[in-house]
Amino acid sequence: DTEVTQTPKHLVMGMTNKKSLKCEQHMGHRAMYWYKQKAKKPPELMFVYSYEKLSINESVPSRFSPECPNSSLLNLHLHALQPEDSALYLCASSQEAAGGITDTQYFGPGTRLTVL
Amino acid sequence: EDQVTQSPEALRLQEGESSSLNCSYTVSGLRGLFWYRQDPGKGPEFLFTLYSAGEEKEKERLKATLTKKESFLHITAPKPEDSATYLCAVQVGGSQGNLIFGKGTKLSVKP
Repeated sequence: DTEVTQTPKHLVMGMTNKKSLKCEQHMGHRAMYWYKQKAKKPPELMFVYSYEKLSINESVPSRFSPECPNSSLLNLHLHALQPEDSALYLCASSQEAAGGITDTQYFGPGTRLTVL
Repeated sequence: EDQVTQSPEALRLQEGESSSLNCSYTVSGLRGLFWYRQDPGKGPEFLFTLYSAGEEKEKERLKATLTKKESFLHITAPKPEDSATYLCAVQVGGSQGNLIFGKGTKLSVKP
C-alpha cells in the first residue's frame, strides 16, 4: 500500500482565518514533505521533515507553519494568507530523506486551497 | 546549476500511435530520476524510479529508460486514459529529499 491521505480536499478561507491541512501515511515512512503547486506548474518544495524533525524550510513565509506530531502525521497550519497563496497543496512521504535509494516520494491527492 | 528540461511541452497522439517523452538533466551527482503521472487537480502518481544509466523499467504501456544525460518515457499504443501530464524529477546527492522537477509534458490521446 502506497497511500498518502490528505484532508480536506478543498478549503476556502479568508485572509484573517486560521486553518490547518492534514496529511497521514501508514507506510512506515520516516520522511514527509509539503509542496505547493500552482496551475500548470510543477510542485515546489516547502518543507521536509525527517524523523519528525524539520530538516528543510525552503524560505517559506511564516504564515505557513508545519507540524509533525508523530511519524505518520503532518500538518500545515495556515494563518493570514494572501490570495496569491491559492494553490494545490501536496503532501508526500518517502522511506528516508538522505538522498539514497529509498527516497521515492509518494504523493497524496492534495488540498485545493482558495484564499479570498 | 542543476536543471531538468522536459520536451515536448505538449503532445497530441491518436490512440495506438506510439511515441516518447524526453527528460534531459544537468545535475551534479544524480541519485535518482523519477517519473510521475498527474491528472488535473490531483496529486502526482508514482510511475518509475531509475538510478543508473542503462536501467529500464516497464509498466503496462509505459517504459522508462535512463542514460547519463536524459531519460525517455516510451508510450506504446496509448489509450485515451493515458492522457495526463507526465512529470520528471531528479534527486541529487545529499539533497535530503529535494526533488528538482521538470515542467512536465501534457499528453493528450484522442480516440
